[in-house]
Amino acid sequence: GENVGLHLPTLSVQEGDNSIINCAYSNSASDYFIWYKQESGKGPQFIIDIRSNMDKRQGQRVTVLLNKTVKHLSLQIAATQPGDSAVYFCAENHHGGSQGNLIFGKGTKLSVKP
Amino acid sequence: DSGVTQTPKHLITATGQRVTLRCSPRSGDLSVYWYQQSLDQGLQFLIQYYNGEERAKGNILERFSAQQFPDLHSELNLSSLELGDSALYFCATSVGGGGPRETQYFGPGTRLLVL
Repeated sequence: GENVGLHLPTLSVQEGDNSIINCAYSNSASDYFIWYKQESGKGPQFIIDIRSNMDKRQGQRVTVLLNKTVKHLSLQIAATQPGDSAVYFCAENHHGGSQGNLIFGKGTKLSVKP
Repeated sequence: DSGVTQTPKHLITATGQRVTLRCSPRSGDLSVYWYQQSLDQGLQFLIQYYNGEERAKGNILERFSAQQFPDLHSELNLSSLELGDSALYFCATSVGGGGPRETQYFGPGTRLLVL
């Protein structure tokens, strides 16, 4: 989709395989993280979130892992399907911030081969 | 479908012009956030309104302004448009004042093309 950067990292997986999308965040004070999925021509769609007092959270076919030591976040998608093809963004927010605005990563494009 | 609506879906205009983008929040949501998504900058926060009042400001140009009305819909006004303002503009809404653990739900966006 034309709503993504020209130089996005791209992950190509076979249908049915598991996908792992990684994200490095910048602010050690961030304590809330969200993964969004953006399909071509659409707005970002909430997938899953995690607070900093957790290191793992599971949803339906998705798992988010948080490693605060190295400021790393990952999204695992089980049994990837063609409908999972999209750009995935991580976003962070930090405790004590008066602003609710999210800081978004650059995004990773997931391409699922049938 | 997030429940957030944005109009228009597409907008084509010329440099120097002024446009207004509209956002209607999900039922019950009091906060509206505006974001700009361009090819080189990714998703950038512009401004947040909560229950009619400006709550937070991000990388919003002085040529841009926003407001939130009593019925909680919001408008983003872009004036003296430049070619570089061409981008996707998203609004997102959340139930409260935008605390750090509040989920934001995004609308489908308005694609602005400045010629």
